[in-house]
Formats: sequence, C-alpha cells, structure tokens
Amino acid sequence: QVQLQQWGAGLLKPSETLSLTCAVSGGSFRGYNYNWIRQPPGKGLEWIGEVKYSGTWEIGQSGSVDYNPSLKSRVTISLDSSKKQVSLRLTSLAAADTAVYYCARSNVEFYDDLSRSYASIGLDYWGHGTPVTVSS
Amino acid sequence: DIVMTQSPDSLAVSLGERATINCKSSQSVLFGSNNKNYLAWYQQKPGQPPKLLIYWASTRKSGVPDRFTGSGSGADFTLTISSLQAEDVAIYYCQQYSSTPPTFGGGTKVEIK
Repeated sequence: QVQLQQWGAGLLKPSETLSLTCAVSGGSFRGYNYNWIRQPPGKGLEWIGEVKYSGTWEIGQSGSVDYNPSLKSRVTISLDSSKKQVSLRLTSLAAADTAVYYCARSNVEFYDDLSRSYASIGLDYWGHGTPVTVSS
Repeated sequence: DIVMTQSPDSLAVSLGERATINCKSSQSVLFGSNNKNYLAWYQQKPGQPPKLLIYWASTRKSGVPDRFTGSGSGADFTLTISSLQAEDVAIYYCQQYSSTPPTFGGGTKVEIK
C-alpha cells in the first residue's frame, strides 16, 4: 500500500521560509512525478509544482521541475531518490500562504489495456496534509 | 492557464437520489499524443486529503463504487452519483492535467437533503 508521510514546521512568521518533506513508502519511487498542492482554509486546491522522476519522452527528463508561475520566484521542489523523499521550500512567507500543504503522486505512466499504451491518470496518492500558519 | 469552472457550488440531494456535478474547462483538455481527456475527479471529505475517483474523464479508479460515473469530452464534463449514500457527503473537485499548470475547479459541496 503506497503511503506518503509528510512533516515540517507548522507555525511560521512572515518573511520566513517553509520547509516540508514527504516520504514515499510501500511502492516504487521511480516512475512517478511528485507534486505539492495547497489548500487555504475553507478554499479550493492550488497546484504549487512538480518534480519528475519518470523517464518517458512525453514528460521530460527525470528530476526536472515545473512550478506554478504565480509562485515560481519563491518555490523550490527537490527529490532525494536514496531516501525516497520529496521536499518543498517556499520563501518570503506571507499570511496568504496559510494553508494545508499536500504532497501527491502523479501516475504518469499508467498502462491502459484498451489502447495498449501509457498515459497519465492524475494524482493517485496523497499525503495526509500539513497545516501551515503564517502569523506574526 | 486553463480555467476550470464547476457548477453548482453546492447541492443537497436525498438519500438514494441522483447528484450531478458539471465541470467546464476554458479550453479542450484532450491530450494530443494519446487522444485521452486529461480530466480527473476527486472527492474530499472533511479533514482528509482529496481522493482520486475518476481519470481520463470516465475511468473509475480501482475500488471506486460504480455509482460514480464520469462523462464528457473536450471541455464539458459531468460527474454523476447515481444513488447518493451517506458516505458520499463531501466536496468534489475536477482537475485538468493536460497542460501545465494543472488546475482545479472550485469544488462542489454535496450534502444530504
């Protein structure tokens, strides 16, 4: 059973840096991409970014990252394959960054029996979420 | 960015009755290289992370009850719960992942009438 376990500091001050880690267990680490998504209190879901750890031509080189343009200047997502961990770093925090932060796995190489090809199926496993509050 | 618009924002349905949620994208989410709609539906219960229900617009993830049905193509999609059960009370989100950044609809809250 695939599990994503998250941890990191939950109470931070404005201008500080958020650091979260997500450890993957119970399945293969390689062959998937790993995402960070956040959800402000009572609101919807916002994609932060993704690090790729799969190797098809369709999605680029392993280890490459994509970020939400709205956060790109402040975000770093990295991957440690030896530990099966993914990390998020978000700098220059403000109150608007208060949210529950989730890591989630993208299954981008799911085999479709019907078409006998591989395709992405979206975010198939999620971490439990880490509440982060930014307040002075 | 592709904008995902869900309707209604909330709906109340009697137990055993049908619930229908709509999702429109600002452009087609058909992925060119494999002709699949890169549209997923997630269910989020209070205090829990979202759970993937449906991918490719209409394929149920293994273990998802068959009362959940996804339909649509291109830019218009629907999630139908054929016979609402108490455990289906949740917020439902659609998501496109055909282009970066992947984007979510605003969510539809489903309650019991």
